[in-house]
Amino acid sequence: DQQVKQNSPSLSVQEGRISILNCDYTNSMFDYFLWYKKYPAEGPTFLISISSIKDKNEDGRFTVFLNKSAKHLSLHIVPSQPGDSAVYFCAASESNNDMRFGAGTRLTVKP
Amino acid sequence: DTGVSQNPRHKITKRGQNVTFRCDPISEHNRLYWYRQTLGQGPEFLTYFQNEAQLEKSRLLSDRFSAERPKGSFSTLEIQRTEQGDSAMYLCASSLISGGAEKLFFGSGTQLSVL
Repeated sequence: DQQVKQNSPSLSVQEGRISILNCDYTNSMFDYFLWYKKYPAEGPTFLISISSIKDKNEDGRFTVFLNKSAKHLSLHIVPSQPGDSAVYFCAASESNNDMRFGAGTRLTVKP
Repeated sequence: DTGVSQNPRHKITKRGQNVTFRCDPISEHNRLYWYRQTLGQGPEFLTYFQNEAQLEKSRLLSDRFSAERPKGSFSTLEIQRTEQGDSAMYLCASSLISGGAEKLFFGSGTQLSVL
């Protein structure tokens, strides 16, 4: 069962523009949401997180938005840089147990 | 290097053979996870340990799979009588919960190819 879904397998944006990556979930008990970034031949690395009591968390160029009523979250990267090109995974957990990952979105930032 | 270390990086084996992978977590982390990832998919949870106790196992983990974490330090994942469907990247991650969202720190994975 896919409790975390990333429906866009790929996204291409121009350097300097905004990248918006989307994620939907089905389990209303999820209370922590995270984004991970993965380069080829490396494991995923933590990028940013948000708890269900918030609707926005910002860290530099990265902002995560959470819409609990729609069971939707998004990651905004502004401005996008070529080094941001990677696969981005959305993840969610219930009370920090059994973290579930989406299938990932491959972001390509063109110079 | 104080990150999560996984060995070997690559493993090629014939169907029916047994394989064992090792994971060395970040030393102060008390949780250790095993995930499996196939092409085009995200990591799928297999099992996790809190210290030396194995707390949860996914239904993906058939009886051919066994994981151990003796003394709450490194962990091993063994697959017996490998099948071609076991071909995947096996990822290990460790974490230390200290309030807020649990952040997993992943190793680079072991790529298993079953011929």
